Amino acid sequence: DTAVSQTPKYLVTQMGNDKSIKCEQNLGHDTMYWYKQDSKKFLKIMFSYNNKELIINETVPNRFSPKSPDKAHLNLHINSLELGDSAVYFCASSRSNYEQYFGPGTRLTVT
Amino acid sequence: GDSVTQMEGPVTLSEEAFLTINCTYTATGYPSLFWYVQYPGEGLQLLLKATKADDKGSNKGFEATYRKETTSFHLEKGSVQVSDSAVYFCALSDQYGGSQGNLIFGKGTKLSVKP
Repeated sequence: DTAVSQTPKYLVTQMGNDKSIKCEQNLGHDTMYWYKQDSKKFLKIMFSYNNKELIINETVPNRFSPKSPDKAHLNLHINSLELGDSAVYFCASSRSNYEQYFGPGTRLTVT
Repeated sequence: GDSVTQMEGPVTLSEEAFLTINCTYTATGYPSLFWYVQYPGEGLQLLLKATKADDKGSNKGFEATYRKETTSFHLEKGSVQVSDSAVYFCALSDQYGGSQGNLIFGKGTKLSVKP
């Protein structure tokens, strides 16, 4: 059983489009995260979210917004996509602040 | 702010060679330290961790010791295998006692092991 899953695995789209990446965890965790990994493999936190608090990395453009329909899901919406948004996006989850489990990643290519 | 610095890669070794990947950190509090591994095409997996000074984390033959005096957490393995080929990330958490909170990652070190 997949603990943290993401869809789609690959996403190719044009500049200016709006897209979403979905994340689901079946671990019963209460905290979920989104990370961005750039072409040089540098990994950076974008958001962390539990049912009480959303913490946003201040460097993330407001074109990016996380949406959580329930505790098991944290989707990432991106408006007006730009070339620089091309990256691999990883979702992760944890029980409170303990070990984070990562999804397999979504490779976003903006053309 | 807190940060993690890893040795630049890529690192290429022959099978059964000794591996060291250097990691140093800067933190104002008492961070917990982690090594994550990313195999090709996959997400990150926690490899080992240490939550306080002089702790040694170990897993799958890999070890790392939390050295507060040198602010280091170097990853070592005595005899690497081809299956160890991956990208290794050092990370810290500003949460005390092993909890993770928001992880701060190093830039990753790609390891290639040749048969």
